[in-house]
Amino acid sequence: GENVEQHPSTLSVQEGDSAVIKCTYSDSASNYFPWYKQELGKRPQLIIDIRSNVGEKKDQRIAVTLNKTAKHFSLHITETQPEDSAVYFCAASRRPRGNNRLAFGKGNQVVVIP
Amino acid sequence: GAVVSQHPSWVICKSGTSVKIECRSLDFQATTMFWYRQFPKQSLMLMATSNEGSKATYEQGVEKDKFLINHASLTLSTLTVTSAHPEDSSFYICSARDRDREYQETQYFGPGTRLLVL
Repeated sequence: GENVEQHPSTLSVQEGDSAVIKCTYSDSASNYFPWYKQELGKRPQLIIDIRSNVGEKKDQRIAVTLNKTAKHFSLHITETQPEDSAVYFCAASRRPRGNNRLAFGKGNQVVVIP
Repeated sequence: GAVVSQHPSWVICKSGTSVKIECRSLDFQATTMFWYRQFPKQSLMLMATSNEGSKATYEQGVEKDKFLINHASLTLSTLTVTSAHPEDSSFYICSARDRDREYQETQYFGPGTRLLVL
């Protein structure tokens, strides 16, 4: 099955700086890659996703890049703010064929220092 | 849109009792829902996939007689933790896929249910 690795496990950045989280995946057939943000005690919220037919997607301060050849994708947060502090999970799956499952990374704790 | 609710948000029960958790898609129809378990500071562990009108598919190592799943309608799935024990204490989160969206891979999560078994 799919194996998703996420690095680093913890990332501290100064407010205003950029944060980058990288994930690698093992299944070359995976073609959907979402990122979720989870604040303490709350639900994971989808913040951005990318499909394998594009290499980059941006939404305001958040962007995701995908390298299919190297089988890795990254989350970029620019101009970080204290409210960006949370755990970020990457995931990978195939397009729906029955019960496609999301394989999650272990999560990355991002701390934005004011 | 794509709102998922869970009930209850937290529950404390005695060892040996059964606890039912509901997961509802409020503004969309979900043919597939997923149940996850999350321990503190850890990732989401998929327990089972719930399909409307059919039996759930359980992940390896998850006891189907322990964690009963019923997906009775396109907007409701329930997870029943039977004969709960302290080791079942955890944060249980459901997610749902919107069958009518162009891209159906996206999963929308409920707020979670925190279970404490004494």
